[in-house]
Amino acid sequence: DQQVKQNSPSLSVQEGRISILNCDYTNSMFDYFLWYKKYPAEGPTFLISISSIKDKNEDGRFTVFLNKSAKHLSLHIVPSQPGDSAVYFCAATPNRDDKIIFGKGTRLHILP
Amino acid sequence: DTEVTQTPKHLVMGMTNKKSLKCEQHMGHRAMYWYKQKAKKPPELMFVYSYEKLSINESVPSRFSPECPNSSLLNLHLHALQPEDSALYLCATKDQNNEQFFGPGTRLTVL
Repeated sequence: DQQVKQNSPSLSVQEGRISILNCDYTNSMFDYFLWYKKYPAEGPTFLISISSIKDKNEDGRFTVFLNKSAKHLSLHIVPSQPGDSAVYFCAATPNRDDKIIFGKGTRLHILP
Repeated sequence: DTEVTQTPKHLVMGMTNKKSLKCEQHMGHRAMYWYKQKAKKPPELMFVYSYEKLSINESVPSRFSPECPNSSLLNLHLHALQPEDSALYLCATKDQNNEQFFGPGTRLTVL
């Protein structure tokens, strides 16, 4: 049973445009959400997070939106840059638990 | 020091070998993790240590044996592995804000 779902395996976006990566979750106990970026042959790097008490968190070009009623979050990258080409993982955790559940990832290609 | 280090970067071992993967952090994070990651898949949780005690074991086969000698170190002892155990093994820590910091990983190949 997949508790964190990233239904788009890949996404291509023109450089300079907005990239929107989506994530859905099923477990209502999740109250903290994270996005990670991963380049090939490297460990994931933390990008941005959001607590369930918020609906938006912004950090530079990256903004995460949370819609709790829809159990949906999205990562917006604007403007998209070539270095943003990577696999992006959505992850979630119940705050009192050490377990972090990852989605399957979305491969983002930024086109020149 | 805000990073997680892992050694070795690459490891090739036979099915009868015994080897160990090492992970080190000096950020004072109390939770440390081992993940296994196959190509094009998300990290798969193996073990979690909290305050140097094993708190989560995701039904990992006994040929993988974790050890946490102190709050800065995490080892993964490997014995009698199978070729399908070849993967990228990632160590991670988690801070009080629930942010996880990953090491660069050890690329393991079992022949």
